[in-house]
Amino acid sequence: RKEVEQDPGPFNVPEGATVAFNCTYSNSASQSFFWYRQDCRKEPKLLMSVYSSGNEDGRFTAQLNRASQYISLLIRDSKLSDSATYLCVVNTRNDYKLSFGAGTTVTVRA
Amino acid sequence: DVKVTQSSRYLVKRTGEKVFLECVQDMDHENMFWYRQDPGLGLRLIYFSYDVKMKEKGDIPEGYSVSREKKERFSLILESASTNQTSMYLCASSVSGRSGDTQYFGPGTRLTVL
Repeated sequence: RKEVEQDPGPFNVPEGATVAFNCTYSNSASQSFFWYRQDCRKEPKLLMSVYSSGNEDGRFTAQLNRASQYISLLIRDSKLSDSATYLCVVNTRNDYKLSFGAGTTVTVRA
Repeated sequence: DVKVTQSSRYLVKRTGEKVFLECVQDMDHENMFWYRQDPGLGLRLIYFSYDVKMKEKGDIPEGYSVSREKKERFSLILESASTNQTSMYLCASSVSGRSGDTQYFGPGTRLTVL
């Protein structure tokens, strides 16, 4: 079983729509959770960390559900510039190594 | 801003060649990482280094070696390139050994082995 699993999508949504997707992780001892964003043919960049109580960063909301071992990302009022692949990242080994999901692709159309 | 640079954006090599991929970071980060990224598989850790001359195997070290002679530079070596090593190679660095430190990535090297 993969350590981190994501629905690859693609999620095709119109501008202004809300889109949400989840990621599951296998290790219940995981401690740190992140969403990275990767634009086409570019490197991954940190979008936001995910905190136990959930957190928002502008139009982006991240949630953590430890009981069911998943994290979620919700994008409100989608913009064309939100089109990207979103990588779920989990620290599963209690050290500085991270485990990456294969990514969920979001395409926002005009 | 943190800057991680990689020596080449695109590289084409032949089977059996020795290949060097170089990565340099300019923020005095302690940790450096080499990943490969393949469709449907995500990023897989090849090797990482938490200090000069120190290295540890990641999840898929077979066929690769690394070198870290200076803090800012981390090299990935393919001793004898094979076609199954055709991939996107991403280097990353992070500040320290704290759990979950943000990793900053270079632009990647797309390697094709013929």
